[in-house]
Amino acid sequence: EVQLLESGGGLVQPGGSLRLSCVASGFTFSSYAMGWVRQAPGKGLEWVSSISGYGVSTSYADSVKGRFTISRDNSKNTLYLQMNSLRAEDTAVYYCAKGIGGLKYGIDYWGQGALVTVSS
Amino acid sequence: QSALTQPASVSGSPGQSITISCTGTSSDVGGYDYVSWYQQHPGKAPKLMIYEVSNRPSGVPDRFSGSKSGNTASLTISGLQAEDEADYYCCSYTSSTTLVFGGGTKLTVL
Repeated sequence: EVQLLESGGGLVQPGGSLRLSCVASGFTFSSYAMGWVRQAPGKGLEWVSSISGYGVSTSYADSVKGRFTISRDNSKNTLYLQMNSLRAEDTAVYYCAKGIGGLKYGIDYWGQGALVTVSS
Repeated sequence: QSALTQPASVSGSPGQSITISCTGTSSDVGGYDYVSWYQQHPGKAPKLMIYEVSNRPSGVPDRFSGSKSGNTASLTISGLQAEDEADYYCCSYTSSTTLVFGGGTKLTVL
């Protein structure tokens, strides 16, 4: 059974940093692209970032480019999102996402979400 | 990257059919057969309903179908059931090698 378990969410002040982690199980982690999708309170889904199976290729939404960094450790079956220079508008539930091969084909499994709140 | 355009809400009675549209541009929906659809119930994570325009994952009822014409993709739900009431989102790959979601559509089963 595929499982994605996020951790690392919480309350952070504007300008601060936070690192999200997502531990995956139930599939060959390195064979699949992974990503992060967020949802602000009461709002729709927003794609944040994607990374290829071996971490060679990454991409980011314009709204987070230069502030967020996606990475993965295939030896630990873990996906990361390092978030720096956080802003109030980054407040959201962040979902870890597994691609059907690549994320462009579709996201077939989602984590339960980690809430990030940026506020003073 | 602008969000794809979806109607804010649609409704239908049990047993009826509804269609949700998702309009983009030639740089996303119209340029690639990489459109997916997600169902989200309140407080839950999204669930994949359709991938690559018209493919259904195992376990998704065949009442759900997808299609695309030009820059507009569509999700059709036939034989509406009460449990279909949820938010639905489309998503497309883009020429910038990014993904873009639609704004979401709230489906109400009357």
